Amino acid sequence: NAGVTQTPKFRVLKTGQSMTLLCAQDMNHEYMYWYRQDPGMGLRLIHYSVGEGTTAKGEVPDGYNVSRLKKQNFLLGLESAAPSQTSVYFCASSWMTGNRHTEAFFGQGTRLTVV
Amino acid sequence: DAKTTQPTSMDCAEGRAANLPCNHSTISGNEYVYWYRQIHSQGPQYIIHGLKNNETNEMASLIITEDRKSSTLILPHATLRDTAVYYCIVRPPNAGGTSYGKLTFGQGTILTVHP
Repeated sequence: NAGVTQTPKFRVLKTGQSMTLLCAQDMNHEYMYWYRQDPGMGLRLIHYSVGEGTTAKGEVPDGYNVSRLKKQNFLLGLESAAPSQTSVYFCASSWMTGNRHTEAFFGQGTRLTVV
Repeated sequence: DAKTTQPTSMDCAEGRAANLPCNHSTISGNEYVYWYRQIHSQGPQYIIHGLKNNETNEMASLIITEDRKSSTLILPHATLRDTAVYYCIVRPPNAGGTSYGKLTFGQGTILTVHP
């Protein structure tokens, strides 16, 4: 049981390049999230998904796209990377029990630098 | 979502109890209080959560005031490995599908445990 796994762990991109960050969870969770964390700040929600085939915008969605074709995977795409997207990206997943969300499990992060 | 207020930083001696306060004066009746911590830029780690009653698990205790406007996370015997940023988060339940379990992170409290 690996939990939440993010790939890659580190990446350097040139401005204008594209890339996809992969998040995989093996806990059969319905809900998945992408956050970004800038230095000295808390995490901010980029996009989220409430189930396979569904995605929605979070607080800071501009410049990112996501897809959830399989329940266990949540992909975050940068079509044209900008230096402002230099950040640490965290993926998380959770599920429902009764009428309440359970605690979220986080991956170890992807450190992205855009030069 | 209810906003939380935490001290920017706190110190604690190893082996002593660490008491981390959180103010959430605008919390709604059905919102839970969650605590997470983040060790050295790793992914956030769930600690504990509660609604009204005090809670205890193997990691910590959570004391919620009767009016629910504030809470305290207690690490009973702090170790050097407890040095981290601690986040207090108020989280709405998934009532009627209007919420999606998001966690709204503030700046948190930097807890430093000294030898």
